[in-house]
Amino acid sequence: NAGVTQTPKFQVLKTGQSMTLQCAQDMNHEYMSWYRQDPGMGLRLIHYSVGAGITDQGEVPNGYNVSRSTTEDFPLRLLSAAPSQTSVYFCASSYAGSRDGYTFGSGTRLTVV
Amino acid sequence: QQPVQSPQAVILREGEDAVINCSSSKALYSVHWYRQKHGEAPVFLMILLKGGEQKGHEKISASFNEKKQQSSLYLTASQLSYSGTYFCGTDNNNDMRFGAGTRLTVKP
Repeated sequence: NAGVTQTPKFQVLKTGQSMTLQCAQDMNHEYMSWYRQDPGMGLRLIHYSVGAGITDQGEVPNGYNVSRSTTEDFPLRLLSAAPSQTSVYFCASSYAGSRDGYTFGSGTRLTVV
Repeated sequence: QQPVQSPQAVILREGEDAVINCSSSKALYSVHWYRQKHGEAPVFLMILLKGGEQKGHEKISASFNEKKQQSSLYLTASQLSYSGTYFCGTDNNNDMRFGAGTRLTVKP
């Protein structure tokens, strides 16, 4: 049982490049979400999904796109990377209603130079 | 709107108690608590639901005042393993927002 798997673990991008952060879960969770974590600011919600084909914006969605074509996968796309997107990105999943809490992936540390 | 946590940091000796507070300006469906150790992912500790239901860690307790939209996490007889940053998360219909965190350090 792998839980929530994020790839890559580390990435360095140049300003203007695009990339996709991968997130996959094998727990049949309906709900998946992406957060970014910056020092002193906690976790900020980027996008979330309550099921395949359904996505919604969170607190800081600008510069990021998501799609949910399957229950298992929820990739996060950076369209044109900026230094302000340097952060640690976490993917999380849960059953609908989140009564058992979120399961987080191990994170992707992204640096944009 | 992120919830507000207090204190920002606390230092304890083993065996001492601590309380971490979390408040929100919005009506809440539930409150979550997580602990994150340095360089690791947050780990779920507890959920408090409207109506008083709780699920979570056997050695950590929490309260949820629905009218005041506040929650408190109680850490009793702290152990070295309790060190880390604690986050509350407030769930408003699948839109989960986290506080900035409380850094807890437990010393021998």
